[in-house]
Amino acid sequence: GENVEQHPSTLSVQEGDSAVIKCTYSDSASNYFPWYKQELGKRPQLIIDIRSNVGEKKDQRIAVTLNKTAKHFSLHITETQPEDSAVYFCAAQGGQNFVFGPGTRLSVLP
Amino acid sequence: EAEVAQSPRYKITEKSQAVAFWCDPISGHATLYWYRQILGQGPELLVQFQDESVVDDSQLPKDRFSAERLKGVDSTLKIQPAELGDSAMYLCASSHRARGKYEQYFGPGTRLTVT
Repeated sequence: GENVEQHPSTLSVQEGDSAVIKCTYSDSASNYFPWYKQELGKRPQLIIDIRSNVGEKKDQRIAVTLNKTAKHFSLHITETQPEDSAVYFCAAQGGQNFVFGPGTRLSVLP
Repeated sequence: EAEVAQSPRYKITEKSQAVAFWCDPISGHATLYWYRQILGQGPELLVQFQDESVVDDSQLPKDRFSAERLKGVDSTLKIQPAELGDSAMYLCASSHRARGKYEQYFGPGTRLTVT
């Protein structure tokens, strides 16, 4: 089955700097890669996603890149703000299988 | 904006007791998922329904967990008997899966504490 790894597990950045979180997956059949943000005590919220026929997608300060050959994808947050502090999860889906990474705790320091 | 509903939000139970959680997905969403999230970890899929049929329950501990979605709408997840290690957040999510849309929308979760 699918296995998703995520790095780093924790990340601290200064407000205004960029943050990058990387994920790798094992199943070459996976074709949908969402990213979720989960604030403390709240439900995961989809923030951006990418499908296997696209290499990069951007939405304001958030971007995701996908390298299907290497089976990895990354989340990029620019001009970070304190409200970006949360746990971020990547996930990979191919067919019926939907697997989350272990998460990255991002702290944006004012 | 439509949301996934879950109840109860919090549940405290003693080990060996039975517990049940309820989920009502967004109207029209054919796919429903139950996840378990242990503090500090990512959600782990327990069971996935497509309408009323189970399509993936490979990670569901079937000796104590059961799930049903009898009419293909709302769903119940049951644990009997509960064990200390079952303490976690139980999340329900739904998705439309039409025209290649796989986005999952999560409910607020049920936080279970087993004492």
